[in-house]
This record gives sequence, structure tokens and C-alpha cells, in this order.
Amino acid sequence: DTEVTQTPKHLVMGMTNKKSLKCEQHMGHRAMYWYKQKAKKPPELMFVYSYEKLSINESVPSRFSPECPNSSLLNLHLHALQPEDSALYLCASSQGDRYNEQFFGPGTRLTVL
Amino acid sequence: LAKTTQPISMDSYEGQEVNITCSHNNIATNDYITWYQQFPSQGPRFIIQGYKTKVTNEVASLFIPADRKSSTLSLPRVSLSDTAVYYCLVGDLAYGGSQGNLIFGKGTKLSVKP
Repeated sequence: DTEVTQTPKHLVMGMTNKKSLKCEQHMGHRAMYWYKQKAKKPPELMFVYSYEKLSINESVPSRFSPECPNSSLLNLHLHALQPEDSALYLCASSQGDRYNEQFFGPGTRLTVL
Repeated sequence: LAKTTQPISMDSYEGQEVNITCSHNNIATNDYITWYQQFPSQGPRFIIQGYKTKVTNEVASLFIPADRKSSTLSLPRVSLSDTAVYYCLVGDLAYGGSQGNLIFGKGTKLSVKP
């Protein structure tokens, strides 16, 4: 299995809702990432988990809360988002010692109303 | 933090060889050069990675001169399906707290025409 899967594919939520994005990989990768990508812009790194520990938080607002329950799963909990948070949220994974070679999922298209 | 500079866009025709150059004047000794491809509404896909000289795989070639201040991604005989954005990244293979290897530049939008 060489895939990173993300659910849901699309998500529409109001500013008062709480929702979660899910990411899963079964490649034995020990590093997992969350990126945010706005239209016609490059992906922006949000969080990095290395060996199930949060190693990087790129000054992301607290309304985004990552969680890594085990080495195969990565969640992004969303609460009180703003319309400007609407974007494509990408999950990626890599081997623990090959951070440059990342495998990306198809993303979750998030719309905040 | 090695910053990268790429052309914003390039046009080509089917069957041609395409070369996309990336400048990275501040590349550090431990930095590797990595290229990704991204189609609309999809996640980026790793293409190739190198440190010096030339690297070739089934998809592309990567040429890196001796001073490593630039690199060129070469796509042989492109097809319409190669129309995508191509990103050049430079950074340390071992993350170790460095941000460089996880920062995407603006990318080059390649349009392949029939």
C-alpha cells in the first residue's frame, strides 16, 4: 500500500462548528505532515509529527489542533474557523529519515461559511 | 534557509524536451534538491531528488552543476498530461529542526500544447 488517504474529500462547515480531518497511511512512515494550500498558491506547512510527536508547529492558530493517535493516523481538529481558512488541506507522510521525499494525499477541500 | 527562484510559467509542445531551472544561491552543504509535480486539486507528487551532478529516473533527469547554486529539471518528450505546476525545494535531508526542506516556492506552471 503506497497511498495516503484523506477523509472527507469535501467539507463545508459553519464558523461555530467542530469538525475533524483524517489522514491515514500504511507505508510504515514515521513522519506525517499537514499543509494548507490556497488557490494558485504553493502548499504551506502547518504541522509536522515525527515518531508520533509534534515536532513543528508553524505558528498555526489554535483553532487548528493536530493529533497523531498512532504512527498510521493523523487528525486535524477544526473549531471556530474563519472564512479565510477555506482551502485545500493536504496530508503527507515520509520515512523518518527521508523528509524530502513526501507522499501526499489527495487533500480535503474545506469551505467555511 | 535556502530560497529558491523559478520561472513562473513555461509553455511547450508535445514531444519536446522541457528544462526547468531553479536558482538556489544560498544552498547549504547538507542541502538536497527535490522536485515535486502538482496537478490541479491534487496533492504534490515527488519526482526526483539529488545532491550533485546528475540523477535520472524513469520520469525525469536532474542536473546540478558543481557549485550547486542552481539545478535543472529535465522532462523528456513531454505530453499533454505533463501540464502541471513543478516545485523546486532545497533543504537538509535530516529535518533536525530546519525549515528549508519543507518550504515550497512559487513553482513553475508548465503548459504543454498539442
